[in-house]
Amino acid sequence: AQSVTQLGSHVSVSEGALVLLRCNYSSSVPPYLFWYVQYPNQGLQLLLKYTSAATLVKGINGFEAEFKKSETSFHLTKPSAHMSDAAEYFCAVSGGGGYQKVTFGTGTKLQVIP
Amino acid sequence: EADIYQTPRYLVIGTGKKITLECSQTMGHDKMYWYQQDPGMELHLIHYSYGVNSTEKGDLSSESTVSRIRTEHFPLTLESARPSHTSQYLCASSEPNSGNTIYFGEGSWLTVV
Repeated sequence: AQSVTQLGSHVSVSEGALVLLRCNYSSSVPPYLFWYVQYPNQGLQLLLKYTSAATLVKGINGFEAEFKKSETSFHLTKPSAHMSDAAEYFCAVSGGGGYQKVTFGTGTKLQVIP
Repeated sequence: EADIYQTPRYLVIGTGKKITLECSQTMGHDKMYWYQQDPGMELHLIHYSYGVNSTEKGDLSSESTVSRIRTEHFPLTLESARPSHTSQYLCASSEPNSGNTIYFGEGSWLTVV
């Protein structure tokens, strides 16, 4: 069984401030973890993924996430928010390769205040 | 970067009409999915396929049907649309390696009036 919890359905930050979006997971096997971004009226775009190589994963648009097994967390960060970062962000977990199911979180809407 | 295409992007139709949402991918992925998403809400898996001639129902019950006659093509059909079907439909495919990474199309917005 696996699940994902995203803490905070809405997060507001000022432009230039640190972005921190929280994701905790539960998995009975070593997980693969993903962050996706969704802009209005568009599909989801893969931001980054953890596949058991390095615990700190760098993605597109300056985002990164750190896998912390002891905390079962995979929080998404960006040092300085831009207006263009305003979007919905989804965390997801998969139990492994092959045809394992991918479970998505409920999403966090990021608002960037000028 | 994923190459997965959905048409139409936006569609407004009357109640009772039959519609088909098209989805094609050029990556040769075996597994494909349809998700339903209301504005600002979470994703709900409604259908998936392991490959040609394979179709499975997802976590959320849906009156839509799907078919998979070719690897690259995974259309979704509503035989008789109702206002409750108004939503965004997202098609996706995944590669079996790297934890089943899912790639999404741009989505199809359906409005039933």
